[in-house]
Amino acid sequence: DVKVTQSSRYLVKRTGEKVFLECVQDMDHENMFWYRQDPGLGLRLIYFSYDVKMKEKGDIPEGYSVSREKKERFSLILESASTNQTSMYLCASRGTGLSSYEQYFGPGTRLTVT
Amino acid sequence: SQQGEEDPQALSIQEGENATMNCSYKTSINNLQWYRQNSGRGLVHLILIRSNEREKHSGRLRVTLDTSKKSSSLLITASRAADTASYFCATDAGIKLVFGAGTILRVKS
Repeated sequence: DVKVTQSSRYLVKRTGEKVFLECVQDMDHENMFWYRQDPGLGLRLIYFSYDVKMKEKGDIPEGYSVSREKKERFSLILESASTNQTSMYLCASRGTGLSSYEQYFGPGTRLTVT
Repeated sequence: SQQGEEDPQALSIQEGENATMNCSYKTSINNLQWYRQNSGRGLVHLILIRSNEREKHSGRLRVTLDTSKKSSSLLITASRAADTASYFCATDAGIKLVFGAGTILRVKS
């Protein structure tokens, strides 16, 4: 079974802090994704990566950066956390190829910025 | 850029009834997928329908796709209290999936 794990289920940070959210997958997937989920807005893509050290902006990259130094790990960084970044953050991975359609999600990190 | 939009936003039914959720999208797709999310958890893949398919079944799930209308529907038959969750459609046009805002389904026992 594919497993995607996220470093924390709940996180509380102060405004201005640098925040790291870690995601690890164990299926050797090339593609990894970070989403944020807010009520009524569904999932919005922040960044994704299709290979080590490669990254692409999603729909809402402002205020975020990412790092992918190893294939299994994809980190989301909030350089200076703000209250409007309070949200549920979901990581996902996906393989490449004709049989690799579905995304596998981690359990999510609920981040509160005070 | 939100591609899929689900309808209704929320649905409340009795156990044993059928639940139907609809999804509309805007551009051409390779396939369309449905996911389920239990409260406060990650999403789980339910079913995929390719752009050249019109209907697909998996257990109590039935998905239809109408590419001319750019719409899909998810039918859950004989619903159970355990089906209570949020359901999302996602359109696939490459590496990324684009998710809609979801339908919240509540099944009352």
